[in-house]
Amino acid sequence: GQNIDQPTEMTATEGAIVQINCTYQTSGFNGLFWYQQHAGEAPTFLSYNVLDGLEEKGRFSSFLSRSKGYSYLLLKELQMKDSASYLCAVPTGGSYIPTFGRGTSLIVHP
Amino acid sequence: SAVISQKPSRDICQRGTSLTIQCQVDSQVTMMFWYRQQPGQSLTLIATANQGSEATYESGFVIDKFPISRPNLTFSTLTVSNMSPEDSSIYLCSFSGESYNEQFFGPGTRLTVL
Repeated sequence: GQNIDQPTEMTATEGAIVQINCTYQTSGFNGLFWYQQHAGEAPTFLSYNVLDGLEEKGRFSSFLSRSKGYSYLLLKELQMKDSASYLCAVPTGGSYIPTFGRGTSLIVHP
Repeated sequence: SAVISQKPSRDICQRGTSLTIQCQVDSQVTMMFWYRQQPGQSLTLIATANQGSEATYESGFVIDKFPISRPNLTFSTLTVSNMSPEDSSIYLCSFSGESYNEQFFGPGTRLTVL
């Protein structure tokens, strides 16, 4: 999506913490989604933020700042299986249907 | 959560032919969507499949190329018509929960057009 920006690729070490940032522009904010997509598989839902702040769900947390048009996905205690593409998605223009960013390919190495 | 399936899972087709992809959800859902994911790219929404009315297409997608059916609240089809190699992509169906705060995807159909 042209209004959603996230890094193309990141690498991290097993056991470490990684933060994947996403900036967006939209009118009529209706929440922000994070999805995980392993190669050759469909995206799976990770989180949905509609209010500012941090939402924690196990090893994954997602943060939102609506005033800054900014979100991040925080992955703790990285495992090899976390190697995947992470997609930030925002409904734009007042819609409820998410527009997807290009995704961040995360590579976790030993 | 509901289970969503698609078929075929993959196909290889000749230029100029058409392929219909089926999407089945095991419970009734209001909103169903069709996305395309071209190699190395993110997901692009093709259209929203509305039950009982014509689909709503996004900019750049037209009904003649991607006709959609939605005969009931558990099923939809997407046809890729008059295919060209540029249509080679993964096609995914999806549905939202009632409050739109979660979206589920089918396993995708990997289409290769020769």
